[in-house]
Amino acid sequence: RKEVEQDPGPFNVPEGATVAFNCTYSNSASQSFFWYRQDCRKEPKLLMSVYSSGNEDGRFTAQLNRASQYISLLIRDSKLSDSATYLCVTTGGGNKLTFGTGTQLKVEL
Amino acid sequence: GAVVSQHPSRVICKSGTSVKIECRSLDFQATTMFWYRQFPKQSLMLMATSNEGSKATYEQGVEKDKFLINHASLTLSTLTVTSAHPEDSSFYICSARGTSGFTDTQYFGPGTRLTVL
Repeated sequence: RKEVEQDPGPFNVPEGATVAFNCTYSNSASQSFFWYRQDCRKEPKLLMSVYSSGNEDGRFTAQLNRASQYISLLIRDSKLSDSATYLCVTTGGGNKLTFGTGTQLKVEL
Repeated sequence: GAVVSQHPSRVICKSGTSVKIECRSLDFQATTMFWYRQFPKQSLMLMATSNEGSKATYEQGVEKDKFLINHASLTLSTLTVTSAHPEDSSFYICSARGTSGFTDTQYFGPGTRLTVL
């Protein structure tokens, strides 16, 4: 079983739609959680950290459920520029990042 | 924000040659750098953790004699793929974790795409 599991998608949504991605992690000792965005053939870029209380950054909302070992990302009012692969990432000891395989989002006109 | 560069961005080489990839933190001192590899449609996999002035720590299954890592200064780490073979073709990405002010985040370089013929 992978340490971080994500639905690979693709999620094809129209511009302006709301879309949600989910992620589960197996290591209960995971300490920090992030969503990264990766464009095709580029490096991953930090989108946002995920806090237990949930947090919001503009159109993006992240939630963490430690009991269920589940992380989510909600994108409201999708833009064409949101098309990318969204990586769910956790850290354990030593600040090692563990990446999911990513969920591909395609926002269409 | 912090900037990490990698060089070269793309390399094509013949089987059996060695390839050196540089990772530099441009505006902060990176006590720790990480090297990842990403095959198509797969997740980034950590290869090794590089600490300035000490030997790298390799992940299980990564051959330390094949993937040589040197972290000689607080702003530079190098990964050398020795005797590269076609199965080493991949996207190699480094990240850097800084000292005070940048400790909680890893900043990624733009990656190096290696193709071994």
